[in-house]
Amino acid sequence: DTGVSQDPRHKITKRGQNVTFRCDPISEHNRLYWYRQTLGQGPEFLTYFQNEAQLEKSRLLSDRFSAERPKGSFSTLEIQRTEQGDSAMYLCASSRTGANQPQHFGDGTRLSIL
Amino acid sequence: TQLLEQSPQFLSIQEGENLTVYCNSSSVFSSLQWYRQEPGEGPVLLVTVVTGGEVKKLKRLTFQFGDARKDSSLHITAAQPGDTGLYLCAAGYNFNKFYFGSGTKLNVKP
Repeated sequence: DTGVSQDPRHKITKRGQNVTFRCDPISEHNRLYWYRQTLGQGPEFLTYFQNEAQLEKSRLLSDRFSAERPKGSFSTLEIQRTEQGDSAMYLCASSRTGANQPQHFGDGTRLSIL
Repeated sequence: TQLLEQSPQFLSIQEGENLTVYCNSSSVFSSLQWYRQEPGEGPVLLVTVVTGGEVKKLKRLTFQFGDARKDSSLHITAAQPGDTGLYLCAAGYNFNKFYFGSGTKLNVKP
């Protein structure tokens, strides 16, 4: 169990640029989640995958956000035309399929928009 | 809109004191998880509770799930500086999605 891995750990970019983050879940986990966390708040759900299928998306996920998990293993989260308000920690978590399975989190990608 | 309310938001105590953190909702959860998060890191799972009235102990930490599965508490006995961190509760409502509280920031002074 190597844990959930996220890359990069930090990303600084100018407003209007596109950014992409990667998440590698624990290998035997079918479910993969993306969350956003701002300072002083708990993580907010963005979207989740069961294998390669994206089953749910939050209303927080505007048209500028897209997530993929093409082979049911790693996932990418892309933000187009970044805005100041996108500055946050983006967390990925994975879990096994089944009721009440705990989520295991990566250490996140911290995005700073200049 | 915060579906889960955590209290208190901040807690600063001396080493050796006891404390309790609360997590409440008006909705019934299918499960509830407690996490601890340190700055610059992801949340680390402490415990999952599923059954109403369930009590779980993890060394000096005691977790309780309310009978109606709408609330939970975390009690720490004889807090130590190493317990410092952000404590988060997360509720599962339909097995697929989890909502987090805004957390309790605990500081234990030596």
